[in-house]
Amino acid sequence: QKEVEQNSGPLSVPEGAIASLNCTYSDRGSQSFFWYRQYSGKSPELIMSIYSNGDKEDGRFTAQLNKASQYVSLLIRDSQPSDSATYLCAAVTNDYKLSFGAGTTVTVRA
Amino acid sequence: DVKVTQSSRYLVKRTGEKVFLECVQDMDHENMFWYRQDPGLGLRLIYFSYDVKMKEKGDIPEGYSVSREKKERFSLILESASTNQTSMYLCASRPPGLVDEQYFGPGTRLTVT
Repeated sequence: QKEVEQNSGPLSVPEGAIASLNCTYSDRGSQSFFWYRQYSGKSPELIMSIYSNGDKEDGRFTAQLNKASQYVSLLIRDSQPSDSATYLCAAVTNDYKLSFGAGTTVTVRA
Repeated sequence: DVKVTQSSRYLVKRTGEKVFLECVQDMDHENMFWYRQDPGLGLRLIYFSYDVKMKEKGDIPEGYSVSREKKERFSLILESASTNQTSMYLCASRPPGLVDEQYFGPGTRLTVT
């Protein structure tokens, strides 16, 4: 079993809609979780981090964490064409490295 | 502002050549990583290092080696490049600990012909 699993998509949403991305992780000891956005041909860039249960909002992005269910999600509200990218979920499982999911590709239709 | 730089954005090499990919970070991070990324396969960890002269194999180390002689620099070496090593190579760094994020370099797109 992979340490971090994401629904692979692709996910297509109309402009202005909410895009919902899901991620599960297998290591109960994971403490910190990150969402990275990666445009085609570019390197991943951090958009959200979350460490405690509940919701964390930053602009149009909301990350949700449920440690009991080992579940992390990212909501993108009022989706824009510029949100079209691959979104990577990552979990810190030890002091050294992050474990990444395979990514979910999102396409926002104008 | 953390900066991770990689020596080349694009590189074309011939089969059998020895290839060096260089990565430098300016934030005094202990941990550094090399990944490759291929369509449909996501990020795959090749090697990582948690200190100078220390290295650990990742998920796909075969055909690669690394060198970390200075804290800020982590090099990936392809001893004898093969066409199946054509890929996007990403370097990253992060400090130790459970809450810190990871920073990526811009990537090197390597083509082996």
